[in-house]
Amino acid sequence: NAGVTQTPKFRVLKTGQSMTLLCAQDMNHEYMYWYRQDPGMGLRLIHYSVGEGTTAKGEVPDGYNVSRLKKQNFLLGLESAAPSQTSVYFCASRMGSGELFFGEGSRLTVL
Amino acid sequence: GEDVEQSLFLSVREGDSSVINCTYTDSSSTYLYWYKQEPGAGLQLLTYIFSNMDMKQDQRLTVLLNKKDKHLSLRIADTQTGDSAIYFCAETRFYGGSYIPTFGRGTSLIVHP
Repeated sequence: NAGVTQTPKFRVLKTGQSMTLLCAQDMNHEYMYWYRQDPGMGLRLIHYSVGEGTTAKGEVPDGYNVSRLKKQNFLLGLESAAPSQTSVYFCASRMGSGELFFGEGSRLTVL
Repeated sequence: GEDVEQSLFLSVREGDSSVINCTYTDSSSTYLYWYKQEPGAGLQLLTYIFSNMDMKQDQRLTVLLNKKDKHLSLRIADTQTGDSAIYFCAETRFYGGSYIPTFGRGTSLIVHP
């Protein structure tokens, strides 16, 4: 039972490059979230999804895009990476209003 | 918008009690949560409390909820060095038509031997 799996765990990009972070959950959860964690800032919501085929903007969506083509996967894309996007990214999922399950994080550095 | 507020640091001696405080914003939050994050890891649910409860106890953990003041606290009895971590308070905020878990900035608990 893997829970929530994020890939890759580490990535270094140059400014302007693009990349996609993949989040996969095997718990049949409806809701999925992408957060970023920066020192002293806690977790800030980037985008979220309330079901397959749906996405919505969170608190800090600029510079990111997402897709939820399959219920178990939630992809976070950076089309043109900027140094301000250096962060640790966490994916999370849950069924309804209960416990949020987190992945182990993806550490992204943009040079 | 308003933030979920927590103090950033707490330092205690091993064996003492730790109390981490949180002020939340959405009075309609059905659930309020405490998550724990160990170094290099994701967040894990530590405990939660329903909004119709005043207190919840789970072994060494006690959660107190004051709905009038929108104040939540987590008490860890007999704190151990293994309790050193970042603790996040979270509410469930109504946002964009859905209930979204919204986190405070986290309190770094440092336990001295």
